[in-house]
Amino acid sequence: GENVEQHPSTLSVQEGDSAVIKCTYSDSASNYFPWYKQELGKRPQLIIDIRSNVGEKKDQRIAVTLNKTAKHFSLHITETQPEDSAVYFCAASTIQGGKLIFGQGTELSVKP
Amino acid sequence: EPEVTQTPSHQVTQMGQEVILHCVPISNHLYFYWYRQILGQKVEFLVSFYNNEISEKSEIFDDQFSVERPDGSNFTLKIRSTKLEDSAMYFCASRRLYSNQPQHFGDGTRLSIL
Repeated sequence: GENVEQHPSTLSVQEGDSAVIKCTYSDSASNYFPWYKQELGKRPQLIIDIRSNVGEKKDQRIAVTLNKTAKHFSLHITETQPEDSAVYFCAASTIQGGKLIFGQGTELSVKP
Repeated sequence: EPEVTQTPSHQVTQMGQEVILHCVPISNHLYFYWYRQILGQKVEFLVSFYNNEISEKSEIFDDQFSVERPDGSNFTLKIRSTKLEDSAMYFCASRRLYSNQPQHFGDGTRLSIL
């Protein structure tokens, strides 16, 4: 069935370092890949997304890359700050219905 | 910026009781979703709704679950006879027409079954 695998489950970095989170999806029909940031007890908040016709997208300190052949996509955060600490979820959806299949989440901790 | 709103923020219910969770999607959105998140776990898809009918549902969404759009603004999730394992955070989400457009999540309802 449809599945999204996310690694690592926890990631600890020093402030100013970069963080990379990787996801792999199983459904080759997936065409939309959002990333959500979730702070404790809060809603998932969309931070960046990428569509299948694009290989890379950047928004200030955040970038996402997509390799459709390998069915991989990754989130890159540069110059991390303590307020980047949260759980990050990748997700994938297909054209039909558009339901999101989420990865297991990565707990990012940025140490000052 | 328009938001998806959910009520109540926290619902405590006795096992076996019915519960209804309420959502008001963003007004010009056409697809509506319910997801759930058990504490410490990933977000799981329950059901999608479009054009006044269910477009897709997961294995979790069994006969105890139902959704309804009773008027032009509300979107509800009903659990008929709650079980302990229904305890979770339930998120409503909505998006515009196309599947590659962002889904916006509400703040969620924390459902606690006693």
